[in-house]
Amino acid sequence: DGGITQSPKYLFRKEGQNVTLSCEQNLNHDAMYWYRQDPGQGLRLIYYSQIVNDFQKGDIAEGYSVSREKKESFPLTVTSAQKNPTAFYLCASTIAGGRYNEQFFGPGTRLTVL
Amino acid sequence: AQSVTQLDSQVPVFEEAPVELRCNYSSSVSVYLFWYVQYPNQGLQLLLKYLSGSTLVKGINGFEAEFNKSQTSFHLRKPSVHISDTAEYFCAVSEGVWGAQKLVFGQGTRLTINP
Repeated sequence: DGGITQSPKYLFRKEGQNVTLSCEQNLNHDAMYWYRQDPGQGLRLIYYSQIVNDFQKGDIAEGYSVSREKKESFPLTVTSAQKNPTAFYLCASTIAGGRYNEQFFGPGTRLTVL
Repeated sequence: AQSVTQLDSQVPVFEEAPVELRCNYSSSVSVYLFWYVQYPNQGLQLLLKYLSGSTLVKGINGFEAEFNKSQTSFHLRKPSVHISDTAEYFCAVSEGVWGAQKLVFGQGTRLTINP
């Protein structure tokens, strides 16, 4: 079955550590996205990538980094520069180049800073 | 830039009662609108979408939404809710140039169904 997988489901980090969240899709989608979700704030875009080896900052990119070396993978690194990283992180993908943007979502990773 | 406003952060209703979740968006020449549902600790699932054509859009789980261009609204409705509809609902609008669109989300509405 085609879909988006995110791992791990739960992640705990000590202050000052970098952590990497995995996102893989087998939908053959060109574009991939990372969102951060906090209670009462909806989804905020961190980074997105329309094509391999290219990505753009979203609205809250500070303290995060990404790479897009393969079409099916878009890992997100939460660096120590992110002051308040505890949140629910969602990865999404879509076919790029279309008239609209229906995105498909993974199950999410909940990151907690200890 | 587009913006989306969900007018209610929480909506409690009794089981089998009707419900409406309100969504307003900022005006644009052409607009594509979406409603997503999120069950606890899960990702988002598409409920329905408006691209063009009929202003009444039917989705999964008995939900429907009406696109109203003059009022820039896209309210979600269900005539009779079930306990299983308890979830958070997000309205979203697609923005950007052809081939480089992004989704802009509202703040979400938490729907609670009481027995």
